[in-house]
Amino acid sequence: AQSVTQLDSQVPVFEEAPVELRCNYSSSVSVYLFWYVQYPNQGLQLLLKYLSGSTLVKGINGFEAEFNKSQTSFHLRKPSVHISDTAEYFCAVSPPYGGATNKLIFGTGTLLAVQP
Amino acid sequence: SQTIHQWPATLVQPVGSPLSLECTVEGTSNPNLYWYRQAAGRGLQLLFYSVGIGQISSEVPQNLSASRPQDRQFILSSKKLLLSDSGFYLCAWSVRRAEAFFGQGTRLTVV
Repeated sequence: AQSVTQLDSQVPVFEEAPVELRCNYSSSVSVYLFWYVQYPNQGLQLLLKYLSGSTLVKGINGFEAEFNKSQTSFHLRKPSVHISDTAEYFCAVSPPYGGATNKLIFGTGTLLAVQP
Repeated sequence: SQTIHQWPATLVQPVGSPLSLECTVEGTSNPNLYWYRQAAGRGLQLLFYSVGIGQISSEVPQNLSASRPQDRQFILSSKKLLLSDSGFYLCAWSVRRAEAFFGQGTRLTVV
């Protein structure tokens, strides 16, 4: 079975500083990987995804993530954050096979708190 | 383009009352549909998913049920709410094994 670990429940950072949000997963098979962002009292919005191919994936709002199979990680990065990036960020995995459904497994989330 | 509608946005219900949350998807056919619940500090928990009309799979035993009366409609229900049913409920859809797209959520408070 797959699982996702987001070790940092909260990451404070100053505006225009770089940030990395960590995500590690556990799986005995290849997986698809996703990062979602959630603003207060809203649904989740897809930031980026890794399905196959290049291990460095770029997403919306200047975010990128790198898939590292040997370290089973999919860390999210942004070189310069804005106040508007303050939100909850969720890493998720789903197995690429095993039926027609995509039963995403989520981490517990990381609150990115950008300070002026 | 595809859109997903979820309502109501907020709901306050007394313990023991029934519940009905509705979710509809536009712009796609035969989507996979999901209900998630989000509790503070615990991420998102998959409650139900459906691959077609009338086909419902439950991920965890609970006080809730789901139904899919039409291809693009997914309903979350309860006959008698418990305090522990409070939370943020999210509907989502996907096509096969691609990424899931989420609605805006319903904040349910059981009092």
